[in-house]
Amino acid sequence: QVQLVESGGGVVQAGRSLRLSCAASGFTFSRHGMHWVRQAPGKGLEWVAVIGDDGSVDVYADSVKGRFTVSRDNSQNTLYLEMNRLRTDDTAVYFCAREHSLDNWFFDWWGQGTLVTVSS
Amino acid sequence: EIVMTQSPATLSVSPGERATLSCRASQSVSSNLAWYQQKPGQAPRLVIYGASTRATGIPARFSGSGSGTEFALTISSLQSDDFAVYYCQQYDNRPPVTFGQGTRLEIK
Repeated sequence: QVQLVESGGGVVQAGRSLRLSCAASGFTFSRHGMHWVRQAPGKGLEWVAVIGDDGSVDVYADSVKGRFTVSRDNSQNTLYLEMNRLRTDDTAVYFCAREHSLDNWFFDWWGQGTLVTVSS
Repeated sequence: EIVMTQSPATLSVSPGERATLSCRASQSVSSNLAWYQQKPGQAPRLVIYGASTRATGIPARFSGSGSGTEFALTISSLQSDDFAVYYCQQYDNRPPVTFGQGTRLEIK
């Protein structure tokens, strides 16, 4: 059974940093692109970033470009999101999500999410 | 960036009846359109991809249609478990992939 389990969320002051993790199991992690999608409280879904299956390609939403870095460790089946220079509008539940298949950027499995609250 | 617009914002339907949710793209996305279901406090769940292909484990009462800029998700006979928020997402033109703002399907 596919499982994605995020961790690392919490309350952080604006301008500080936080690192999220997503532990994957139940599938061959190294064969799938992986994404981060976030959801501000009471709002809709916003795509944040993607990393390719081998980690050689990463792409970001304009709203986080230059501040967030996505990475992965295929030996540990773990996805990461390093978030720097956090702003109050980064407050959201952050989901990791598995790309369905190569180059098809829709998501067939999601983690339960981890809440990041950025205080002023 | 492609803008996805869903309508209506809220749809009230009685159990056993049919519900049709709409999604419009600001430019053609071919058939590269997915639908997700999200219940309170839960992660989204893939329902439809490729505009009309049901995801694994999704009941046959869910169907998707459309191509280009106009899409629909139809639930033929609503069950209590179907009441949730539904999002459409285009993955044709990226980055970024973009989502609609959601349609809340509520019990009438």
